[in-house]
Amino acid sequence: DAKTTQPNSMESNEEEPVHLPCNHSTISGTDYIHWYRQLPSQGPEYVIHGLTSNVNNRMASLAIAEDRKSSTLILHRATLRDAAVYYCILSVTGNQFYFGTGTSLTVIP
Amino acid sequence: GAGVSQSPSNKVTEKGKDVELRCDPISGHTALYWYRQSLGQGLEFLIYFQGNSAPDKSGLPSDRFSAERTGGSVSTLTIQRTQQEDSAVYLCASSLLQGRTEAFFGQGTRLTVV
Repeated sequence: DAKTTQPNSMESNEEEPVHLPCNHSTISGTDYIHWYRQLPSQGPEYVIHGLTSNVNNRMASLAIAEDRKSSTLILHRATLRDAAVYYCILSVTGNQFYFGTGTSLTVIP
Repeated sequence: GAGVSQSPSNKVTEKGKDVELRCDPISGHTALYWYRQSLGQGLEFLIYFQGNSAPDKSGLPSDRFSAERTGGSVSTLTIQRTQQEDSAVYLCASSLLQGRTEAFFGQGTRLTVV
């Protein structure tokens, strides 16, 4: 099974950028890297995903290492509403999404 | 529909009873996933459907759990002879193309076994 490793928790000051790391050393060539977040008492919410190139959308940016064994989710300006658990997942075609324990992000006003 | 719909939103049942949880995925989404989340815990994968078939049932915790999907659309997760440890939020998600596109989650069914 494709597995990811994330820090259990991180803190950020409001209005500052946040870099959330993820290691996925067993990634294979066809695995997509997905990020989801879960706010308290809600279902997970899609953030961003990519395969090889860096990706940007209105929520965040995804920086993927050249060897694809790690990636970083970048929130450009953290707000209090960004406080959530962030999950990094490898999506293996023909298989399912395995959610790890994620990173609990605290945003400090 | 506009999103993934799950019903009921809340279910309280007595130990030993059977329950059925329903998931209506986004129209046209071929992949459908079931997870459960106990209080304060991460998401535990249960089962995955591609169309009507389930290539991976490895996450089902016991033979009391079963799931089906009909018409490539609605899915039902059935728990027989419920136990207190089955209490959790059961989440369903769907995606257009498994792995290559984002998954959309429902708000879940909160199951309480008393």
